[in-house]
Amino acid sequence: QKEVEQNSGPLSVPEGAIASLNCTYSDRGSQSFFWYRQYSGKSPELIMFIYSNGDKEDGRFTAQLNKASQYVSLLIRDSQPSDSATYLCAVMKTSYDKVIFGPGTSLSVIP
Amino acid sequence: DGGITQSPKYLFRKEGQNVTLSCEQNLNHDAMYWYRQDPGQGLRLIYYSQIVNDFQKGDIAEGYSVSREKKESFPLTVTSAQKNPTAFYLCASSPGLVAGELFFGEGSRLTVL
Repeated sequence: QKEVEQNSGPLSVPEGAIASLNCTYSDRGSQSFFWYRQYSGKSPELIMFIYSNGDKEDGRFTAQLNKASQYVSLLIRDSQPSDSATYLCAVMKTSYDKVIFGPGTSLSVIP
Repeated sequence: DGGITQSPKYLFRKEGQNVTLSCEQNLNHDAMYWYRQDPGQGLRLIYYSQIVNDFQKGDIAEGYSVSREKKESFPLTVTSAQKNPTAFYLCASSPGLVAGELFFGEGSRLTVL
């Protein structure tokens, strides 16, 4: 079982719709969770992080964490073509203090 | 401006040659990381360092070596022992204030001919 799993996609949504990206992790002791966005040929950039169960909102982005079910999700409201990118879920393992990335989900927002 | 500088951006290497990728940061961050990304895949951790003169192996350290003699610098050497070195290499740093918040350089694309 991979440590961090994501649907590879591609996920296509129409402009203005809600995009929902999901991630599961295997280490129940993980405490910090991150969403990075990576445009093609570029380096990743952090868009959200979440530590506690529940929702965290930042503009059009909402991160949701459920530690009991070991999943974290990212919702993008009012999706724009500029949101088209690969979204990487990352988990910080407290034991080894390193950040582990999932394979990423490719999102395409259709005008 | 503060940031992370990786060089070179593109590098071609013949099989059997070692190559060193440079990573310099002026953000005063304590932690630095090296990741490898293959086409269509996520990032895999090669090495990381939390403090000067100390570093730990990541998940795919075989065939790679690093040093951390200065806080600002974390070079990665891809040795001839690395069997499939062609990849996109990303260096990152973290201030540690938000554990796991990584700031990435622009990456170095290595192609072995």
